[in-house]
Amino acid sequence: RKEVEQDPGPFNVPEGATVAFNCTYSNSASQSFFWYRQDCRKEPKLLMSVYSSGNEDGRFTAQLNRASQYISLLIRDSKLSDSATYLCVVDSSYKLIFGSGTRLLVRP
Amino acid sequence: NAGVTQTPKFQVLKTGQSMTLQCAQDMNHNSMYWYRQDPGMGLRLIYYSASEGTTDKGEVPNGYNVSRLNKREFSLRLESAAPSQTSVYFCASSESRVFQETQYFGPGTRLLVL
Repeated sequence: RKEVEQDPGPFNVPEGATVAFNCTYSNSASQSFFWYRQDCRKEPKLLMSVYSSGNEDGRFTAQLNRASQYISLLIRDSKLSDSATYLCVVDSSYKLIFGSGTRLLVRP
Repeated sequence: NAGVTQTPKFQVLKTGQSMTLQCAQDMNHNSMYWYRQDPGMGLRLIYYSASEGTTDKGEVPNGYNVSRLNKREFSLRLESAAPSQTSVYFCASSESRVFQETQYFGPGTRLLVL
């Protein structure tokens, strides 16, 4: 079993839609959680950190469920520019584990 | 601020050749990392340097060596390239607390080993 698992997608949604991604992790001792965004043939960039209480940044909301060991990312009012791969990242045994990513395609 | 820079952007090698990938950051970060990314897989850590003068193995260190030349620069060397090392290589840095802080990535080096 992978330490961090994500649905690879692609999620194909129209502009304005709301879309949610989930990510599960296996190490119950993990303390740090992040969502990164990676555009095609580009480097990953931090989208947001994920806090225990949940956090929101504009159209993006991240939630952490420690009991079930999953993290979610909700994108409201999707824009064409949101098309990218979203990487779930979790610390485990003193290193960061990157999920293989969920691909989002937003169509006009 | 250029952030994290990497050279070269692209490289084609023949099996058995050697090369060094260069990475530099201008954010005064203490920690630096080398990852590889293969299709359908997450980024995998090759080596990291928690601070100047220290380096440690990551998840997939075999076939690679690193040098933390100074606080700014962290290089990755392939002594004898193999086709299995065909990948995209990313260098990253973070301010201080290894693996607990935001990592900033360079633009990557695309390596093809024939």
